[in-house]
Amino acid sequence: EAQVTQNPRYLITVTGKKLTVTCSQNMNHEYMSWYRQDPGLGLRQIYYSMNVEVTDKGDVPEGYKVSRKEKRNFPLILESPSPNQTSLYFCASSSGHQETQYFGPGTRLLVL
Amino acid sequence: TQLLEQSPQFLSIQEGENLTVYCNSSSVFSSLQWYRQEPGEGPVLLVTVVTGGEVKKLKRLTFQFGDARKDSSLHITAAQPGDTGLYLCAGNTGNQFYFGTGTSLTVIP
Repeated sequence: EAQVTQNPRYLITVTGKKLTVTCSQNMNHEYMSWYRQDPGLGLRQIYYSMNVEVTDKGDVPEGYKVSRKEKRNFPLILESPSPNQTSLYFCASSSGHQETQYFGPGTRLLVL
Repeated sequence: TQLLEQSPQFLSIQEGENLTVYCNSSSVFSSLQWYRQEPGEGPVLLVTVVTGGEVKKLKRLTFQFGDARKDSSLHITAAQPGDTGLYLCAGNTGNQFYFGTGTSLTVIP
């Protein structure tokens, strides 16, 4: 089954404790992206990747890092999480930057 | 930051009524997508429009891209309870996507 998976689905952590949210897709897609969704603000793009080893900042990259060492994986790293990073995070992939984006199920993060 | 504004933010209607959701921006987009999101799930693509003035129909849903490619609308005819959900527009410029603030639709049986 074609899908985008994210782990963990739920995470509660404390300020400053480094964490990684994994994202994996099995569709051989080149374009992958991370978004955060907050009430009243919609989805905002954090980082995107056009292909392996190619990543670029989106609209709200501050406080986040990503890597794209393999085509299928695109982890989101929070080196020192802060409470304002409490949000619902979505990973998405597509065959091209103008093509259909397939979203993962979301990761709900709470930073205390 | 390029911002897509959607209106209305919330909409509650009776089954069988028609409705229109608007997505507006001051920016030009190379393409515009509409998504629907259910609670606890990721958005799912409904349609992509790429040409100014383009109209696409998906059963009871009609999507239109503005002539100047800055705005779009989604019209639902004879709404059904199954149409309930969060509707999101997303504009593409270069390699980035910008999402609208969303319209939460509730269709009452």
